[in-house]
Amino acid sequence: DTEVTQTPKHLVMGMTNKKSLKCEQHMGHRAMYWYKQKAKKPPELMFVYSYEKLSINESVPSRFSPECPNSSLLNLHLHALQPEDSALYLCASSQASGGRGNQPQHFGDGTRLSIL
Amino acid sequence: AQKITQTQPGMFVQEKEAVTLDCTYDTSDPSYGLFWYKQPSSGEMIFLIYQGSYDQQNATEGRYSLNFQKARKSANLVISASQLGDSAMYFCAMRESAGGTSYGKLTFGQGTILTVHP
Repeated sequence: DTEVTQTPKHLVMGMTNKKSLKCEQHMGHRAMYWYKQKAKKPPELMFVYSYEKLSINESVPSRFSPECPNSSLLNLHLHALQPEDSALYLCASSQASGGRGNQPQHFGDGTRLSIL
Repeated sequence: AQKITQTQPGMFVQEKEAVTLDCTYDTSDPSYGLFWYKQPSSGEMIFLIYQGSYDQQNATEGRYSLNFQKARKSANLVISASQLGDSAMYFCAMRESAGGTSYGKLTFGQGTILTVHP
């Protein structure tokens, strides 16, 4: 079983809906990540939170809004999405490595999002 | 320019045989880490093995080993005694030193789909 839990596992929504993806980890990690992954492609980084502060936003459209309420939780709020936003959304966490780069990111099972 | 290159879109191996998945990388940073992940069709990214740029020995984790050739900038994954459950997409990834920040961005290769035949 994965130690990073993502809910829901599947989500179908219309382009005018508002929904949220949730991610939770209890490994004491202080860095958390959102990735978007299209079929048969590598994950693309969207956001990085480090110590509950947004550290990286990879020029993601504002219809995606991340939130880190505490060190264990990471949310991704969705609003007015487009059909091309249909993808697998992966959450990951890692220890704060101090820049040594030797801490793996641990991923959840992902949320499969379909936009109608 | 591609920082991580996986040249094998698909690989086939017979059950119980060994298989090597290729990965080359490009960086000017002296401090970096190389990771391999497995992604079954269910979607979860499973961490397999890590190699640091300063590590003197090749990493091993059970049936997984990493053939690290620093001068050639290659970090190939070797899976010994393949099992049917090894069928999945495999990604090579690199994390550079991130300028002293407390996290590191992963750069992924395009992936290799491994199919294990009985």
